[in-house]
Amino acid sequence: QKEVEQDPGPLSVPEGAIVSLNCTYSNSAFQYFMWYRQYSRKGPELLMYTYSSGNKEDGRFTAQVDKSSKYISLFIRDSQPSDSATYLCAMRNTGTASKLTFGTGTRLQVTL
Amino acid sequence: GAVVSQHPSWVICKSGTSVKIECRSLDFQATTMFWYRQFPKQSLMLMATSNEGSKATYEQGVEKDKFLINHASLTLSTLTVTSAHPEDSSFYICSAFRTHGNTIYFGEGSWLTVV
Repeated sequence: QKEVEQDPGPLSVPEGAIVSLNCTYSNSAFQYFMWYRQYSRKGPELLMYTYSSGNKEDGRFTAQVDKSSKYISLFIRDSQPSDSATYLCAMRNTGTASKLTFGTGTRLQVTL
Repeated sequence: GAVVSQHPSWVICKSGTSVKIECRSLDFQATTMFWYRQFPKQSLMLMATSNEGSKATYEQGVEKDKFLINHASLTLSTLTVTSAHPEDSSFYICSAFRTHGNTIYFGEGSWLTVV
């Protein structure tokens, strides 16, 4: 079993839809949770960063972490074609600069 | 704007030659940087952790003599692919840990093609 599970998709939604992306994990030591967006042939771009449990909102993006369930989510409101990309969840423990553990990434396609 | 710069963005080299990829943190000091390799439609595979002023820590299965990592300053880490072969052709990405904010930022990646 992988430490981080993420549905690879692809996920296709119409423009304007609310998108829900999720990851589950097994390592209870993870304390920092991130979502990265990766466009084709580019490096990952940090979207959201959360420490421990809770919600965080930034514009159209909301990240949720439920440590009791070992479950994290990213919601995208009013999705746009420009949101079409691969979304990677990533997490790490509390060690200084400890390495990230990634999900496989979910490919999202927002159609007109 | 980008906080981690990677250069070159793409490079083609002949089999048997060596190629160097640079990773720079632009507005912060990064004592720790990471090097990844990514195959098409797959997630990132960590190759090594680069620590300023000390030897890199390589992941299992990664040849340290083939993938030389140098982190000589707080803003620069380099990956040198030595005696490159076509199977080394891949997308290489670096990331840097920024203490302020406790976050990790990625470079734009470097496409390596060995012919």
